[in-house]
Amino acid sequence: DIQMTQSPTTLSASVGDRVTITCRAGQWISSWLAWYQQKPGKAPKLLIYRASDLESGVPSRFSGSGSGTEFTLSISSLQPDDFATYYCQQYHSSPYTFGQGTKVEIK
Amino acid sequence: QVQLVESGGGVVQPGRSLRLSCAASGFTFSAYAMHWVRQAPGKGLEWVAFISYDGTETFSADSVKGRFTISRDNSQKTLYLQMSSLRAGDTAVYFCARSPTTLRYMDAWGKGTAVTVSS
Repeated sequence: DIQMTQSPTTLSASVGDRVTITCRAGQWISSWLAWYQQKPGKAPKLLIYRASDLESGVPSRFSGSGSGTEFTLSISSLQPDDFATYYCQQYHSSPYTFGQGTKVEIK
Repeated sequence: QVQLVESGGGVVQPGRSLRLSCAASGFTFSAYAMHWVRQAPGKGLEWVAFISYDGTETFSADSVKGRFTISRDNSQKTLYLQMSSLRAGDTAVYFCARSPTTLRYMDAWGKGTAVTVSS
């Protein structure tokens, strides 16, 4: 199984800050990585697929980068609506594992 | 618009069975692969199972292998998860999610149905 490790687990930031979340895969997954945002009591929402492709309708302040085993999700200017938990997921091979999540909190 | 609506959750005793359903609308269900993903209370997301657009290919997590079966009825636009030999550790909100045909990320999600395994 491919283990996905996110860092940090929790991130405290202010509105307007640039934030970066890292996701490391336990083995090479090319660019088969997605990022999701989840708010409490809600379903996850796709933000990024294929490591850097922005899903339709997602604000351009979100961006993804990386390939192989190291990936990042960046938010260029944090907005109030962005306080949530973020998950990476590899879809290179089954089981399609998620990272443990990164909670972005208000500083 | 794309809609996925899960149903069938509830409280069930350990060792019993339950079948979850996911009704799809707003898109051509038979053209998309589907997943089940679960989330235990206060925990992260756990992928559970995958089924190809035509049902010929299925995968499941080791934690549910041999106990859970994913299936679909394209004529009814419905995805299923048959769960048996349920354990306390299966307590979670279960989401169904759609995947583009040849890729395995999840571009649309239902709101989830809660399963509680307790005596």
